[in-house]
Amino acid sequence: AQRVTQPEKLLSVFKGAPVELKCNYSYSGSPELFWYVQYSRQRLQLLLRHISRESIKGFTADLNKGETSFHLKKPFAQEEDSAMYYCALFRGETSGSRLTFGEGTQLTVNP
Amino acid sequence: DTGVSQNPRHKITKRGQNVTFRCDPISEHNRLYWYRQTLGQGPEFLTYFQNEAQLEKSRLLSDRFSAERPKGSFSTLEIQRTEQGDSAMYLCASSLVSGRNIQYFGAGTRLSVL
Repeated sequence: AQRVTQPEKLLSVFKGAPVELKCNYSYSGSPELFWYVQYSRQRLQLLLRHISRESIKGFTADLNKGETSFHLKKPFAQEEDSAMYYCALFRGETSGSRLTFGEGTQLTVNP
Repeated sequence: DTGVSQNPRHKITKRGQNVTFRCDPISEHNRLYWYRQTLGQGPEFLTYFQNEAQLEKSRLLSDRFSAERPKGSFSTLEIQRTEQGDSAMYLCASSLVSGRNIQYFGAGTRLSVL
């Protein structure tokens, strides 16, 4: 069975500091990994996916298959980055189309 | 607003009552998903449809839960004989089969069972 672990429920940093939100997964196949974000009073929305290998709002995430990790990083945090972040795993079309989410990390960026 | 729409936004009911939620996906999205989210947890998959066919159901979906998508457009999720443990946020998402596996979420329906 697949599983996504986000070890930190809460993470607090100061504006301008680097931030890293950890995500580890367990799945024997080749998953697709996503980061979703939920800002206060807004719906869950996609932040980035590993396949696209792009930077969104200054955030990047690299899939490390050896360590089964997909950590989210930003070199200089901004106050508007404060939100709930969820790491999610997609097993692939032939294994069902569900997303498996981690428990989430609440990021607070202090002024 | 052309995003995923869910109604009602909030539902308060007494234990034992039946409730029904509606989800309108993004137009032309052929996949529709239901998730449940409780406090402090990430969303948990319940079921999904491709067009009108229900292709997968989680073990979380007990016999009291039923979902339909009769014409391949909107979907309903019904919970019969609600229990306090059913209190949660129910999220709907939609996607395209060829849509790079990106799911777009609605704002959710928050259910409180008293």
